[in-house]
Parts: sequence; structure tokens; C-alpha cells
Amino acid sequence: EAQVTQNPRYLITVTGKKLTVTCSQNMNHEYMSWYRQDPGLGLRQIYYSMNVEVTDKGDVPEGYKVSRKEKRNFPLILESPSPNQTSLYFCASSSLLVAGFDEQFFGPGTRLTVL
Amino acid sequence: QQQVKQSPQSLIVQKGGISIINCAYENTAFDYFPWYQQFPGKGPALLIAIRPDVSEKKEGRFTISFNKSAKQFSLHIMDSQPGDSATYFCAAPGDKLIFGTGTRLQVFP
Repeated sequence: EAQVTQNPRYLITVTGKKLTVTCSQNMNHEYMSWYRQDPGLGLRQIYYSMNVEVTDKGDVPEGYKVSRKEKRNFPLILESPSPNQTSLYFCASSSLLVAGFDEQFFGPGTRLTVL
Repeated sequence: QQQVKQSPQSLIVQKGGISIINCAYENTAFDYFPWYQQFPGKGPALLIAIRPDVSEKKEGRFTISFNKSAKQFSLHIMDSQPGDSATYFCAAPGDKLIFGTGTRLQVFP
């Protein structure tokens, strides 16, 4: 089954304790992206990657890191989480078309609470 | 930076009615305008998309209308059903896909 998986689905942590949210896709997609969803603000892009070893900042990258060492994986790293990073996080992937964008497939989400 | 303005923020419709959600964008790099549907506890999923060499695309009860000169596009849900209750996001392509802020639709029986 074609899918994007994220782990963990729920996480409660404390300020300053480093954490990683994993994301994996099995569709051989070049493009992967992380979003955070907050009430009234919609989906805001954190980082994206056009291919292996190619990453770039989205709209809200502060406090986050990513890496793309393999095509299928795109982990999100919070080196020192703060309460304002409490949010619902989604990973997404899609193929890249010459004509632009294609359907993005989203993971099930990770609900993060930073105390 | 490209912004996508989506309205309304929330919408309450009676079963059988028409739901209309609007989006306006500033500039585009490509002609591709999707709508995503998100149910509670789930990730967004593509509902319908238009590549506007046409001004309208219909899939079942869902229709996208596109006005290129006005830089606006809208989603119409005909004969709205309680199962359509979800959050809907439009998106427009800049150097990356920019999402609107979402519309929470509630359809009451």
C-alpha cells in the first residue's frame, strides 16, 4: 500500500529535550516536506526536500532541522524544543513534474506537546 | 512571498445545501490548483485539482471554478452531506505549494 508513515503519532516532552520525528514514504517520491498545523493558521511549511541531500527552508524553519540521506526518509529534528513548538505535524511526499506539482500524500500526523 | 487567502474560516450548511469555499492568490509559477480534504485525526488528502486550461472541473458533487484574471478559485460542494464535514484547504503553486488557512465545514442533517 502506498503510504507515508510518521512516528511517533503522539509525543509529550519537556522543554530542551531533543527529539526526532521520523517520516518514511514507499512511493519513490523525490519531493518531501514537513508542515505544522495550528488553529487558524492552516498548514505552514517547515522544510522541504527536492531530492536526496537537497533540503531548503519553508516558511517557519526556526527551531527545526531536517536531513535527507535516503530518498524514502525525511526526519524532523527538534534540537531544543520549546512550548511554542506544540503543534500537529505532517510529513508529505509527492513526485516532481516538469509542469510543476503533483498530488501530495500526507502522513497521519504527529501531535507534539512541549511542556 | 506568495499568500493564499481562503474564506470563510468556518461554514455551516444544512444537508442538501451548497457549500462554497473561496481562495485568492497573488502569483503562480505553475497552473495547478488543488483542494485538500482533512477529516479529524487524519492527514489532508487530495480531493480535486484543476490545471486551468479549463475554467471549471467537476468530479461528482465537487466542482472547482477558476477565474484566472481575478486570481481566484473556488470549491463548490453540491447536495452537501454530513459525511462532507471536514476541513478543506486550497493551495496555489508558487516556488512551492502554498496552502490556505483552511475552512471547517459542518453539514447538519
